[in-house]
Amino acid sequence: AQSVTQLGSHVSVSEGALVLLRCNYSSSVPPYLFWYVQYPNQGLQLLLKYTTGATLVKGINGFEAEFKKSETSFHLTKPSAHMSDAAEYFCAVSEPGRYNNNDMRFGAGTRLTVKP
Amino acid sequence: DGGITQSPKYLFRKEGQNVTLSCEQNLNHDAMYWYRQDPGQGLRLIYYSQIVNDFQKGDIAEGYSVSREKKESFPLTVTSAQKNPTAFYLCASKAGSGANVLTFGAGSRLTVL
Repeated sequence: AQSVTQLGSHVSVSEGALVLLRCNYSSSVPPYLFWYVQYPNQGLQLLLKYTTGATLVKGINGFEAEFKKSETSFHLTKPSAHMSDAAEYFCAVSEPGRYNNNDMRFGAGTRLTVKP
Repeated sequence: DGGITQSPKYLFRKEGQNVTLSCEQNLNHDAMYWYRQDPGQGLRLIYYSQIVNDFQKGDIAEGYSVSREKKESFPLTVTSAQKNPTAFYLCASKAGSGANVLTFGAGSRLTVL
C-alpha cells in the first residue's frame, strides 16, 4: 500500500526566507501526489497536485513542488515566505487506476511558522 | 457556491452519549469520506461511501457509524463505544472513481467532557 513520510513536524523560517517542506512517498505504481494546506480550525485546501506530465508543478500562493521519481520525493517550496503562509501542510499520495476509491494516504503534517 | 457544509463547528459531549456530525455537499460528488485528525497523526480514514446506500469501513471505524441515504448527505455518528472521541473531524468528497482531488469541509471539533 502507498504511504507518505513528511520529514519534520515543525519548520520555522523568517519572513522572506525560502520555504522547504519535505515529503517522501512509497507507491507500487506511478503515483498521484498532492500538497494540501490547513489553517487553524479549518478544512484542507489543495495547494497543488502532480498526476502526469511536467514534474515541476506550480500551485496557489506561489508554492511549487517537484516530483523526483529517483528520490521518491515531492518536496514543497516557496522562494519567499509570507506571514500568511503560517499553517499546517499535508502531503498525500494516491495510486491511480485502482477500482477502490479509498486510495488517498496523508502524511502526518508539517506545521510552518513564519517569524517576522 | 458549491462546497461541503459540516455542522456543528464545535460540539461538547458527555461520556456515554452518542453524537451525530452532519456533512452536506452540493457538488454532485459521488464519493464521500470521514476523516479523524489528531495532533501529529495526520488524517485517518473512518468511513467512506462511493455511492448512495453503500459505505465501507476505513482504518479506524470502531465506535463510529454512518449512513448514505442521499447523495448529498453523509452523517457520522460517534457512539459511546468510541474510547477516545475527542478530535477534529473532517468530511470530504470526490467526484468519482476517475477523480483524484478531495474537497474538504471546514471540520467539526468534538470534545468529550
